[in-house]
Parts: sequence; structure tokens; C-alpha cells
Amino acid sequence: GAVVSQHPSRVICKSGTSVKIECRSLDFQATTMFWYRQFPKQSLMLMATSNEGSKATYEQGVEKDKFLINHASLTLSTLTVTSAHPEDSSFYICSASLSWETQYFGPGTRLLVL
Amino acid sequence: AQTVTQSQPEMSVQEAETVTLSCTYDTSESDYYLFWYKQPPSRQMILVIRQEAYKQQNATENRFSVNFQKAAKSFSLKISDSQLGDAAMYFCAYRSSKLGSGNTGKLIFGQGTTLQVKP
Repeated sequence: GAVVSQHPSRVICKSGTSVKIECRSLDFQATTMFWYRQFPKQSLMLMATSNEGSKATYEQGVEKDKFLINHASLTLSTLTVTSAHPEDSSFYICSASLSWETQYFGPGTRLLVL
Repeated sequence: AQTVTQSQPEMSVQEAETVTLSCTYDTSESDYYLFWYKQPPSRQMILVIRQEAYKQQNATENRFSVNFQKAAKSFSLKISDSQLGDAAMYFCAYRSSKLGSGNTGKLIFGQGTTLQVKP
């Protein structure tokens, strides 16, 4: 149980285009989902916290207009990277809370912006 | 604000041996959760073990156990009988137990420790 999926697993796009990444909790309802960014051999950096039916809470320094987060249902949250640029290339990971105690992570999405 | 520190960027262990990964944290809260996550080369984050701060007993999951020292704010992970599949990056993480007051339930991660297992 407690499976979280992400789609796509990897995406290559041209600079200036927008990319949408989906995060789904497959076998549980998640009131809260989290989006992280990770650079190679570094720790996870929290970008935002997403609550179903309400606006996301962004961490300091994260551009809200660039990284659009929507949490439309208890099993789906999306991250849209708008007008992507090469510096947005990274590994993006989502997680979902089954309970207050534990988060379960998706497999991640590798974004490459050319 | 809470912080988590992993002072060992890299560690290595011989297969079948035991290794301990260190983690310290700073918080003014009395109740919280601590976690160890494993990230293998696939980059899928896997929960290894969880500890509730109010529990004095150290958590154990098969070959994985923790040494939780609340007063010292230390939370080390011991891996016994190390296996090649244990090679990964390990992250220590903190999560507040208090809902509200600006707490969103987010995890605060340490810098990570890369564990190499030698055959």
C-alpha cells in the first residue's frame, strides 16, 4: 500500500515551453502533497505544500508564477513549470501524506530543458 | 527553526559488516517525528525507519535500527549485516508533530550520506 506515482518519469522540452508533472496517490487519499526539487547528489529542497481544494503554500524563494501547483482532488496534484528555461532542469519529486506521521514519495520526474 | 545535520557526506562498509550513519537535529519542540529515508540510484525515496520523539524505545526494522538520544538531539541509523542493496544515499528527516501554527507537516531533510557497500 501507500503508492505514489508520477508522470512523466522524464521529459525533455524546449526553452520557453510549459511542462506539467502529475502526482497521484494510487491507493489512499492524500489531503496534503509536497513538491521537492533535487539537484545531483544533493538533498531534497521543498518547493511547496499542496492542500486539496486550497492554494499551495510556497517556500521562500520559490516563484509562484513559475511553478504552478494545483491540487484538484484527494489523489492528484500537478506541478506546471511555466516558460521553462535550462536552469529549471532538475529532478522533481512529489510526496503524499497518508497520515500526519509519514510521507510517501513518488519515483520522481527528470526534467531537461534545452 | 528546525535544522537537521548529517556530517558524513560519504561512508563505506564491507558487505556483512555493520555501519552507523549519524544525524543531529535542532528543535525547540518536545514532540516530533524523525525518519531515515533511503534513495538508491533509481532515486525513489524509500522510508527506512521512523521514530516518534515521545517513545523512549529505539525503533527497529529488521537489519535497521536507530539510536535515538533526545537530550543530545541525536538520531543515528545502524545497518547490520550490510548488503550490496543497501548502497544508496540516506537522508535523515524531521517533522513537527504539531498541526497548525504554520506547520504544514513538511519534512526537513539533512544533507544526506552516500553509503558504499564493498563486496
